[in-house]
Amino acid sequence: QKEVEQNSGPLSVPEGAIASLNCTYSDRVSQSFFWYRQYSGKSPELIMSIYSNGDKEDGRFTAQLNKASQYVSLLIRDSQPSDSATYLCAVRGFGNEKLTFGTGTRLTIIP
Amino acid sequence: ETGVTQTPRHLVMGMTNKKSLKCEQHLGHNAMYWYKQSAKKPLELMFVYNFKEQTENNSVPSRFSPECPNSSHLFLHLHTLQPEDSALYLCASSQEGRSRDTQYFGPGTRLTVL
Repeated sequence: QKEVEQNSGPLSVPEGAIASLNCTYSDRVSQSFFWYRQYSGKSPELIMSIYSNGDKEDGRFTAQLNKASQYVSLLIRDSQPSDSATYLCAVRGFGNEKLTFGTGTRLTIIP
Repeated sequence: ETGVTQTPRHLVMGMTNKKSLKCEQHLGHNAMYWYKQSAKKPLELMFVYNFKEQTENNSVPSRFSPECPNSSHLFLHLHTLQPEDSALYLCASSQEGRSRDTQYFGPGTRLTVL
């Protein structure tokens, strides 16, 4: 059973600080990693994808991947109240395997 | 807007009703998915269609019946549902065949079974 683990939170971060979200996965041959943001009552929205070890930056978001340790993280710099949402980590194995999702981390940015 | 639409957005039905959920993607993708999202649980993949052919059925009860008439449309037919089937049902699409394809989600249908 392939698993993706996330701390369900809630994670509370002051406005303007860095929010750090973590995700671990069990399948060592996983190839593709995604972070989705889901506002309450809405559908998941893709915000970042990462495929190689290291950091990938996009605006205020940075995804970090460490395949040896089997974890992927998402950093949100200069956190804004609009960043308050549930963040889903998704992992895809080798080839055309399906996405496996974590339960999500609920993030609250405190003004 | 992600290019994936779903109707209806909200649905309330009794256990003896028959209803259908509709999904349409305008992205030119060749794969479509149905997911169920319940509170406190990970997204559960229900069905996968590649090039209109069903490639995955994750032990979903027969009261859920998918239909994919073409690569742009996907339906989920519902009959004799149970209250525990109440959830957010999400449709997604992707371009299979690319090793780094990404799934894009529709807005979902919030289903309540009375």
